[in-house]
Amino acid sequence: DQQVKQNSPSLSVQEGRISILNCDYTNSMFDYFLWYKKYPAEGPTFLISISSIKDKNEDGRFTVFLNKSAKHLSLHIVPSQPGDSAVYFCAARREGNTPLVFGKGTRLSVIA
Amino acid sequence: EAGVAQSPRYKIIEKRQSVAFWCNPISGHATLYWYQQILGQGPKLLIQFQNNGVVDDSQLPKDRFSAERLKGVDSTLKIQPAKLEDSAVYLCASSLTTGELFFGEGSRLTVL
Repeated sequence: DQQVKQNSPSLSVQEGRISILNCDYTNSMFDYFLWYKKYPAEGPTFLISISSIKDKNEDGRFTVFLNKSAKHLSLHIVPSQPGDSAVYFCAARREGNTPLVFGKGTRLSVIA
Repeated sequence: EAGVAQSPRYKIIEKRQSVAFWCNPISGHATLYWYQQILGQGPKLLIQFQNNGVVDDSQLPKDRFSAERLKGVDSTLKIQPAKLEDSAVYLCASSLTTGELFFGEGSRLTVL
């Protein structure tokens, strides 16, 4: 039972263009959402998060949008850079000290 | 600030053998997690500790996996006996009570 779904296993984008990574969730109890980035042979690193009381959070080139009614969030990277090439994981948690539930990840390739 | 430390980075064993992984979380982080990441999948929670108590071990295969966090700091994860399907990266993460998780680089296990 996948509570967090990333339906695109891979995405390829030209350098300088926008990358949009999508994530859907099924558990309406989730109230905090995060994106992690993972390079090969490294652990995931935190990128950006959003609370369920917001619909947008921005940090430099990275913006996360949350649509609670659709149970959908997306990560926008603009402009995309070759160093952004990595696997991106969407994660969610319920209120309190609860563990993160991860999606399967989307591999982003930014082509120079 | 030192990150989450894990060892060993790589381990190759034969099926039915045993293996142990060690994790040292970020200083002051009360919550520690072990996740299993199988190739092509997102990280899946095995166990969550709060200080030295278990918060969630519902997905830990207790017939072969065990974990402990003595003194509420370091933790070890043991697999005995190992099966082929245990081949994965074992990720340790720590956090303050809420917020994002900080991951170590992971321990890659290959079971032959």
